[in-house]
Amino acid sequence: GESVGLHLPTLSVQEGDNSIINCAYSNSASDYFIWYKQESGKGPQFIIDIRSNMDKRQGQRVTVLLNKTVKHLSLQIAATQPGDSAVYFCAENMYSGGGADGLTFGKGTHLIIQP
Amino acid sequence: GAVVSQHPSRVICKSGTSVKIECRSLDFQATTMFWYRQFPKQSLMLMATSNEGSKATYEQGVEKDKFLINHASLTLSTLTVTSAHPEDSSFYICSVIAGERGYEQYFGPGTRLTVT
Repeated sequence: GESVGLHLPTLSVQEGDNSIINCAYSNSASDYFIWYKQESGKGPQFIIDIRSNMDKRQGQRVTVLLNKTVKHLSLQIAATQPGDSAVYFCAENMYSGGGADGLTFGKGTHLIIQP
Repeated sequence: GAVVSQHPSRVICKSGTSVKIECRSLDFQATTMFWYRQFPKQSLMLMATSNEGSKATYEQGVEKDKFLINHASLTLSTLTVTSAHPEDSSFYICSVIAGERGYEQYFGPGTRLTVT
């Protein structure tokens, strides 16, 4: 079936640098995308989301970019901090389905912040 | 966002026994909750959609008679793993739809199930 996938399983960046985590999705019908952060042994934490009628959305130190033409999603984290170390998942569903659908998750990227 | 709790956080049970996991929405009335399963170093997989006052909807490949879901109130959904086997050992996580826009999903802290 269609799924959401990630390009890099592990990303290592220096503290203070910016990081970019990428995600490719294959379901062209998806219109709602979310990034989650998961620390070891914990549930996913909502970071930021974007609907398909937008191509960019900014939060505090984070930016999500959506390129519907190539079905690509990215999460940019500015000035990374040690607390940003975690696994990051992209997820998607169809908001137009009423928003009450479960999410399809990508494989995850382990972000490692080096001092 | 919504505050979601799960109980227990960890449970170890013997093969053949049943285990109940609770998911509570602490500050939001949730008509819909979701149950996910996550194996080590893997992603989350949707198991079922829990609807308050009606039967749960299961994803393909998830046995409804093995994973019993009861959403008896707007703040509580339970997942019972019946006749658990070692292959059921996993991290079970619930989520609720909440937030100002009405479609964001917030997750609980998860329950680690180990079947011996």
